[in-house]
Amino acid sequence: DTAVSQTPKYLVTQMGNDKSIKCEQNLGHDTMYWYKQDSKKFLKIMFSYNNKELIINETVPNRFSPKSPDKAHLNLHINSLELGDSAVYFCASSRFGGRTQETQYFGPGTRLLVL
Amino acid sequence: SQELEQSPQSLIVQEGKNLTINCTSSKTLYGLYWYKQKYGEGLIFLMMLQKGGEEKSHEKITAKLDEKKQQSSLHITASQPSHAGIYLCGAETPIKTSYDKVIFGPGTSLSVIP
Repeated sequence: DTAVSQTPKYLVTQMGNDKSIKCEQNLGHDTMYWYKQDSKKFLKIMFSYNNKELIINETVPNRFSPKSPDKAHLNLHINSLELGDSAVYFCASSRFGGRTQETQYFGPGTRLLVL
Repeated sequence: SQELEQSPQSLIVQEGKNLTINCTSSKTLYGLYWYKQKYGEGLIFLMMLQKGGEEKSHEKITAKLDEKKQQSSLHITASQPSHAGIYLCGAETPIKTSYDKVIFGPGTSLSVIP
């Protein structure tokens, strides 16, 4: 029954490694998002996809690459992990996206720690 | 670009006390969201406000958007330990002709002492 799910919940890895975080929503929503919450709890958008099309791409290092195989999934792949990538990454989805002023539903977050 | 500020940054209250958290925008708000994040968990949607002067309530939490649509307040009546967490306001901000994105304030950390 989970609406937006993320795996893994926790990820501890060494600097320089490549890792992926998966996100799935079973709400039938058209738009999915990735947010990063830093150590100061500041939540900032990274990417959004609408029906597998990239809509938002904030100033994120190109080591971060989102992939949307279908509109229910938006995965985040991170190459050459750096210490500063340690954060909580949240996935979210909304029904339509665009200018509809609608609620975004968030996943539980993935806590990434880079050592 | 639009920015959101929240005050206070953190708050510690005795159980049963009322409290208010404010969210101020540098530009007119067209969609204002309040989310709660329990420590170590995901975000839970509380309310969305769109119209100037609009007020919504859910259980003991009331949120209001001012007439000028640049400030929102979240008021908790008779706080309980279950209210503890981080409260984030978010605002729609246009990025392209057809799309908005939501930007978030820095959050207000609330602790409720039994």
